[in-house]
Amino acid sequence: DGGITQSPKYLFRKEGQNVTLSCEQNLNHDAMYWYRQDPGQGLRLIYYSQIVNDFQKGDIAEGYSVSREKKESFPLTVTSAQKNPTAFYLCASSLELDDGGGADTQYFGPGTRLTVL
Amino acid sequence: GQNIDQPTEMTATEGAIVQINCTYQTSGFNGLFWYQQHAGEAPTFLSYNVLDGLEEKGRFSSFLSRSKGYSYLLLKELQMKDSASYLCAVRYSGAGSYQLTFGKGTKLSVIP
Repeated sequence: DGGITQSPKYLFRKEGQNVTLSCEQNLNHDAMYWYRQDPGQGLRLIYYSQIVNDFQKGDIAEGYSVSREKKESFPLTVTSAQKNPTAFYLCASSLELDDGGGADTQYFGPGTRLTVL
Repeated sequence: GQNIDQPTEMTATEGAIVQINCTYQTSGFNGLFWYQQHAGEAPTFLSYNVLDGLEEKGRFSSFLSRSKGYSYLLLKELQMKDSASYLCAVRYSGAGSYQLTFGKGTKLSVIP
């Protein structure tokens, strides 16, 4: 079964702690993305990666870090510098980053709900 | 950022037809996506439009007018399971960077 997995589904963290969210895909997609979703707001892009060992900041990268050491994996670390980390985090992947024919259609993982206590 | 406007909430009756509108800024437009998101779950891809016209996929259709900066998602023969949020997302191109901007979503409630 091809797809995107995220773990854990629910995560609780104390203030001041860093936490890493996992994202793995076996779709052989080149591009991967991290979004956060807050109630009443659209998805906001945190980071994206077009290829291994390369990634770019999105609209709200402050307080987050990522790595892309393998094509299949794109973990997100929420650092203690992130002022308001409680949110629903979604990872996505696409065949390519930017393609007018729709090959950049993004497919989402099940999400991780992070709560900071 | 680019604004994507969708109605916040809509209610429709089982078996009926509903149209969910999306308007966006046209400058740099390079494609539009519709996603369905059930509460607490991930968005799932519904449709993609880059040229003007109607794309039909079973009970769901999506329309695009690039000159007007307007799209709609049409859901026919509504079922209770169609109760979800529907997200409009626009791809903008420019300056070598990638940007997909999501609207806030339209929460659709289907009632018996």
